[in-house]
Amino acid sequence: SQQGEEDPQALSIQEGENATMNCSYKTSINNLQWYRQNSGRGLVHLILIRSNEREKHSGRLRVTLDTSKKSSSLLITASRAADTASYFCATKGRGAQKLVFGQGTRLTINP
Amino acid sequence: DTAVSQTPKYLVTQMGNDKSIKCEQNLGHDTMYWYKQDSKKFLKIMFSYNNKELIINETVPNRFSPKSPDKAHLNLHINSLELGDSAVYFCASSQWTDYQETQYFGPGTRLLVL
Repeated sequence: SQQGEEDPQALSIQEGENATMNCSYKTSINNLQWYRQNSGRGLVHLILIRSNEREKHSGRLRVTLDTSKKSSSLLITASRAADTASYFCATKGRGAQKLVFGQGTRLTINP
Repeated sequence: DTAVSQTPKYLVTQMGNDKSIKCEQNLGHDTMYWYKQDSKKFLKIMFSYNNKELIINETVPNRFSPKSPDKAHLNLHINSLELGDSAVYFCASSQWTDYQETQYFGPGTRLLVL
């Protein structure tokens, strides 16, 4: 199974601190994506990193990808209360037709 | 302006009933998906259609039947509902490419089977 696993399952930090979430997967990938899900809402795409990329930035988000370790991390800097959500990584395998989602990290930002 | 919309948002029904969930996207995408998210937030793909053709059909009970009348619509019909079908069902769409595939999700349909 290619299913990603996020770590930690839950993370609670103070506003202004940085939040780091990790994702591990099992097979070769084409790309890896991070999504956010606010409570009671659908998933929203945050960032996509290709298998030949090692790091990508988007605003306060920084994603790294280590294909040798089959892992990725999502860093949210200067966290805000509005960042409170579940964060999912999703992988697209080489030649695969579908995205496989991990179980998510529940992030809580305390004011 | 809603990109991916689903109806209904909430669905409460009795075991054994048949129900349908509708999905529409106005993004001009050629691929649409149905996902099931269980109570532990685990998101699992059920079906995918590309240009009205079924391309992904996971091990889903045949009580679930997707229908895509055109590229912008993907409906999900569920026969003989069971308690275990209670979940949130998400529709999503994307423009099919081999290398990138950002998916756009609808708001979800919360199904409760009593």
